[in-house]
Amino acid sequence: DGGITQSPKYLFRKEGQNVTLSCEQNLNHDAMYWYRQDPGQGLRLIYYSQIVNDFQKGDIAEGYSVSREKKESFPLTVTSAQKNPTAFYLCASSIRGRSVDGELFFGEGSRLTVL
Amino acid sequence: DAKTTQPPSMDCAEGRAANLPCNHSTISGNEYVYWYRQIHSQGPQYIIHGLKNNETNEMASLIITEDRKSSTLILPHATLRDTAVYYCIARSSGSARQLTFGSGTQLTVLP
Repeated sequence: DGGITQSPKYLFRKEGQNVTLSCEQNLNHDAMYWYRQDPGQGLRLIYYSQIVNDFQKGDIAEGYSVSREKKESFPLTVTSAQKNPTAFYLCASSIRGRSVDGELFFGEGSRLTVL
Repeated sequence: DAKTTQPPSMDCAEGRAANLPCNHSTISGNEYVYWYRQIHSQGPQYIIHGLKNNETNEMASLIITEDRKSSTLILPHATLRDTAVYYCIARSSGSARQLTFGSGTQLTVLP
């Protein structure tokens, strides 16, 4: 079945370490997104990409980096520069980044805990 | 993109209709209203969207007021599995980015 796969589901890291979260989709969607969610709060946009080899910062991009070398993959690196990295990270995709019909399809999330 | 306002929480009896309101008084003419829901610790799920006409699908109905300043998501026969946080979002046609989700409404369906 088509969908979005995020891995790992749970991740622990020590302070000062970079960590990369994987997001893969087989929906043939053009656009992909990364969101962060903190307890009891809504989702905040970190980065998004409308096409391969292109991406834009969202509202809270500081301390994060992404790449979009393939249409189906949009990995997120949480760097040591991110001051409060412990959170629930959600990856999403949509058919077209600019179209009103491009509703978001989400993965199941990755929960990162910094020890 | 317009800001949306939702009540933080609501309860509904199982089998009854759940009516979730959303205020978007600054919405512009090309902004659609989207609804998503998130069950605890899972990724959000798309429910429905609309521009100005009422919409219905297998999950829910969306009623948008004539002035488009508010809308209501209706779950006609709520079940315990509908317990989730429901997000209302206004999104521009042709927008190059996705909106940040607000805090949403925690709907609890009671047995």
